[in-house]
Amino acid sequence: EAQVTQNPRYLITVTGKKLTVTCSQNMNHEYMSWYRQDPGLGLRQIYYSMNVEVTDKGDVPEGYKVSRKEKRNFPLILESPSPNQTSLYFCASRGFTGLAGGGTHEQYFGPGTRLTVT
Amino acid sequence: QKEVEQNSGPLSVPEGAIASLNCTYSDRVSQSFFWYRQYSGKSPELIMSIYSNGDKEDGRFTAQLNKASQYVSLLIRDSQPSDSATYLCAVTATGGSYIPTFGRGTSLIVHP
Repeated sequence: EAQVTQNPRYLITVTGKKLTVTCSQNMNHEYMSWYRQDPGLGLRQIYYSMNVEVTDKGDVPEGYKVSRKEKRNFPLILESPSPNQTSLYFCASRGFTGLAGGGTHEQYFGPGTRLTVT
Repeated sequence: QKEVEQNSGPLSVPEGAIASLNCTYSDRVSQSFFWYRQYSGKSPELIMSIYSNGDKEDGRFTAQLNKASQYVSLLIRDSQPSDSATYLCAVTATGGSYIPTFGRGTSLIVHP
């Protein structure tokens, strides 16, 4: 089954304690992204990756790190979490669909990780 | 700055009615348009993609695209209470990194 998986699904931690949220996809997609979603603010992109070893900042990268050592995995690292990083996090991957005259990417989301930093 | 605008709602419709959700976008080079459904606390689920002007139908869902007016809509026929969710519009441009720009979503409530 084609899917994006994230772990853990729920996490409660304390300020300053480093954590990693894993993300994996089995669709051989080049593009992967991390989002956070907060009430009233919608989905905001944190980081994205266009391929192995190629990453770039999204709209809200401060306080986060990512790495892309393998095509299927794209972990999100919070070196020193703070309470303002309490949020619902989604990993996503995008697959290319070739169309006449061009192509497009359809994006699929993981199930989400609810993070609480106290 | 690319923008995708949606009315936050909530849009309330009776069961069996047609729900009409609207989305406007600012970037004229946008080429691909997507509708996602998101239940509370769950991840967005892709339900429709549309790439050319006109209508695209899939079951009870119809996406409508008008590039000249920079407008895309989603119609849900025979609305069911299970359709109650937030619907996100997303837009991408062809080329580059294909990063989708998301609207903030419209909350739909289908009441029995």
